[in-house]
Amino acid sequence: SQQGEEDPQALSIQEGENATMNCSYKTSINNLQWYRQNSGRGLVHLILIRSNEREKHSGRLRVTLDTSKKSSSLLITASRAADTASYFCATARSGNTPLVFGKGTRLSVIA
Amino acid sequence: KAGVTQTPRYLIKTRGQQVTLSCSPISGHRSVSWYQQTPGQGLQFLFEYFSETQRNKGNFPGRFSGRQFSNSRSEMNVSTLELGDSALYLCASSSPEAGGFLQETQYFGPGTRLLVL
Repeated sequence: SQQGEEDPQALSIQEGENATMNCSYKTSINNLQWYRQNSGRGLVHLILIRSNEREKHSGRLRVTLDTSKKSSSLLITASRAADTASYFCATARSGNTPLVFGKGTRLSVIA
Repeated sequence: KAGVTQTPRYLIKTRGQQVTLSCSPISGHRSVSWYQQTPGQGLQFLFEYFSETQRNKGNFPGRFSGRQFSNSRSEMNVSTLELGDSALYLCASSSPEAGGFLQETQYFGPGTRLLVL
């Protein structure tokens, strides 16, 4: 069963705008990760944020984590057409348990 | 380092047949996981192998099996294929620096797209 649920399911923006995607989850986590998937291809790891962290940056990406609300957000600033992809959050619980992926947000960046 | 590789990239089979997919992890990675991705169910964990042993298993029928070789390469087998097995099968490995644990960063291959007719 999906633990992470992304919102919105689909997002369409103009190049240069910011894109925000949200992820909610149900149980306590060890960390939360965001991945990108270009159409029908493998997933690429973007960022990992641990349960004791609140915010993390990587280039144009900013991820926040609110464990009290069991939610995370991914912000992509100054989006480019190449950012068009599906974005998935994945939650990791303690112990060597597998990541649980949400169903993703499909982002379209229009040039 | 070369990334995770998967072969074949595309496969067409008919119901009742069996299929074997192959995955080579990043050099030095000993944990290999398999995921099934479908439009309806999303990404679902199949199983994980570490040092030739199945360490974790998802909720899939016994028709889905796997193994890992001493060089960490892994194969996944699906027997008696059903239409619902049509999916993108993704393999991922995790870094020994992260303890090779499933909850750390996973490095994915490009996937094998299986179509069952």
